[in-house]
Amino acid sequence: GAVVSQHPSRVICKSGTSVKIECRSLDFQATTMFWYRQFPKQSLMLMATSNEGSKATYEQGVEKDKFLINHASLTLSTLTVTSAHPEDSSFYICSAKDAGGTYEQYFGPGTRLTVT
Amino acid sequence: AQSVTQPDIHITVSEGASLELRCNYSYGATPYLFWYVQSPGQGLQLLLKYFSGDTLVQGIKGFEAEFKRSQSSFNLRKPSVHWSDAAEYFCAVVLNDYKLSFGAGTTVTVRA
Repeated sequence: GAVVSQHPSRVICKSGTSVKIECRSLDFQATTMFWYRQFPKQSLMLMATSNEGSKATYEQGVEKDKFLINHASLTLSTLTVTSAHPEDSSFYICSAKDAGGTYEQYFGPGTRLTVT
Repeated sequence: AQSVTQPDIHITVSEGASLELRCNYSYGATPYLFWYVQSPGQGLQLLLKYFSGDTLVQGIKGFEAEFKRSQSSFNLRKPSVHWSDAAEYFCAVVLNDYKLSFGAGTTVTVRA
């Protein structure tokens, strides 16, 4: 149980285009999902908290107009990187908190974004 | 302020030897703590967690961790490492609003 998927696992896009990453909780409902960014050989940095049916909460320094987050259902959150640039290339990981659960987050397998 | 500190950036250990990864936290009187493992290019896998109760926590893959409030520590141990334990290990603590704060990570290399 408690499986989180991400799609796509890898994506390459051209500079200036937008790319959408999906995060799904497969066997539980997630009122809260989190989006992280991880640079090579570094730790995970929380970008934003996504709450179903409301606006996402962004961490300091994260551009909300660049990283659009939508949490339209209890099992799906999307992260759209708009007007992507090479510096947006990174590993993006989502996690989901079970609506009826404790403090544990369940992590997706990550999405490798490369902007050329 | 850093909520989680992992003092060791890189540890090399021989296969079959014991392993201990250090983690110190600085948040909360009653912290909720986690250890995760990450293989290259992969997501995070939960090894174990501590919420309350017995301070010695058993996890998957033969790992255990001990919560020591007096030392603000939650060190991860394994009695005998296998080559497949080579990975990146992250300690994390729950902050307000269920957010997780991660340590910088420790890279474990296993030599034959």
